[in-house]
Amino acid sequence: SQQGEEDPQALSIQEGENATMNCSYKTSINNLQWYRQNSGRGLVHLILIRSNEREKHSGRLRVTLDTSKKSSSLLITASRAADTASYFCATALSILTGGGNKLTFGTGTQLKVEL
Amino acid sequence: ETGVTQSPTHLIKTRGQQVTLRCSSQSGHNTVSWYQQALGQGPQFIFQYYREEENGRGNFPPRFSGLQFPNYSSELNVNALELDDSALYLCASSSSGRGSNEQFFGPGTRLTVL
Repeated sequence: SQQGEEDPQALSIQEGENATMNCSYKTSINNLQWYRQNSGRGLVHLILIRSNEREKHSGRLRVTLDTSKKSSSLLITASRAADTASYFCATALSILTGGGNKLTFGTGTQLKVEL
Repeated sequence: ETGVTQSPTHLIKTRGQQVTLRCSSQSGHNTVSWYQQALGQGPQFIFQYYREEENGRGNFPPRFSGLQFPNYSSELNVNALELDDSALYLCASSSSGRGSNEQFFGPGTRLTVL
């Protein structure tokens, strides 16, 4: 089952504009991660924010996390045509013994950046 | 490129057949997770392997099974294929330990069941 839901499902903007995507989730988490996927290919990790962090920046990306509302947002500033992709949030929970996190993905936002 | 490789890239099978998908993890990573991504959906966690043992499983039936080898590469086996098994199968490697482990994804195997 999907842990979270992204909003909007699809977003179309002009190059140079900012794009904001939101993610809501249901359970407590260790961290929340954002991924990009181009045309049904592999996922590319964008940014990770820990449960005790509220905001994080990486280049043109800004992520916020509100654990009280169980929500996160991803802002892409000064968008480019190459940013056209699907974006997924994923919440991470530790699994049993030591192996690492289980990622639970949302349904994704399809971003289209037009020239 | 993440350094995680998967084979084959594409695969076509018929209902009832069995399939094996392979994943080579990134150097230094000892944990492999498998995900199924149906068209238009987000990836769903199948299971994770750590030190050659299953270390957590999602809501998938026993006909989905896996292996991890001493070099940390992994296989996903699916028996008695059903039409709904058609999907992109992604593996992700990471290093062990709790906390904020980034997972590095391979390019995926596209499985079509006819």
